[in-house]
Amino acid sequence: NAGVTQTPKFQVLKTGQSMTLQCAQDMNHEYMSWYRQDPGMGLRLIHYSVGAGITDQGEVPNGYNVSRSTTEDFPLRLLSAAPSQTSVYFCASSKNDLSGAKNIQYFGAGTRLSVL
Amino acid sequence: RKEVEQDPGPFNVPEGATVAFNCTYSNSASQSFFWYRQDCRKEPKLLMSVYSSGNEDGRFTAQLNRASQYISLLIRDSKLSDSATYLCVVNALDTGRRALTFGSGTRLQVQP
Repeated sequence: NAGVTQTPKFQVLKTGQSMTLQCAQDMNHEYMSWYRQDPGMGLRLIHYSVGAGITDQGEVPNGYNVSRSTTEDFPLRLLSAAPSQTSVYFCASSKNDLSGAKNIQYFGAGTRLSVL
Repeated sequence: RKEVEQDPGPFNVPEGATVAFNCTYSNSASQSFFWYRQDCRKEPKLLMSVYSSGNEDGRFTAQLNRASQYISLLIRDSKLSDSATYLCVVNALDTGRRALTFGSGTRLQVQP
């Protein structure tokens, strides 16, 4: 019963390097999203997708790209890592319920990223 | 002003105590409301949805006041295992994002 799987769990990058954080879900959820969590800031939405081929920006999209070629996968790409991107990243998925009442999000275990 | 505001705590309470958390939200178009629980260095997990009429799940009671735009969570008979951060979450459909907005969380520490 995998749910939402994120890889890697930990990553250290040097400034300017690029990398992709992987996220996969096996619940056939239409909606997927990426958040970052910083101390005292709560979770902030980076990008989200309401289905394959459809993505949109969240609250803090700069420096990140996403794509959604399949329902299952939603990778997050850091184009040129900066120390300000040091954070914990969570991927989440849910049904795409228009009323929002069933918009219960299931989270992956997170990726802890440090950019030196 | 943050869209969703919570007292960060920490709330330090003895086992068996009753503790209440409040959360205020600024978007009057918010449609649905949740409390999530996050253990240290873990992912958030849904604790309960919050319904207009209020709802209870065992020792946990959630209330919604749309007029004043606040949500509350009451925990009765606190257990050591309730120690965690509690996140208030709202969903507003008018932003075009159809995404959840999270509060920064309230930390609860239940002590023996």
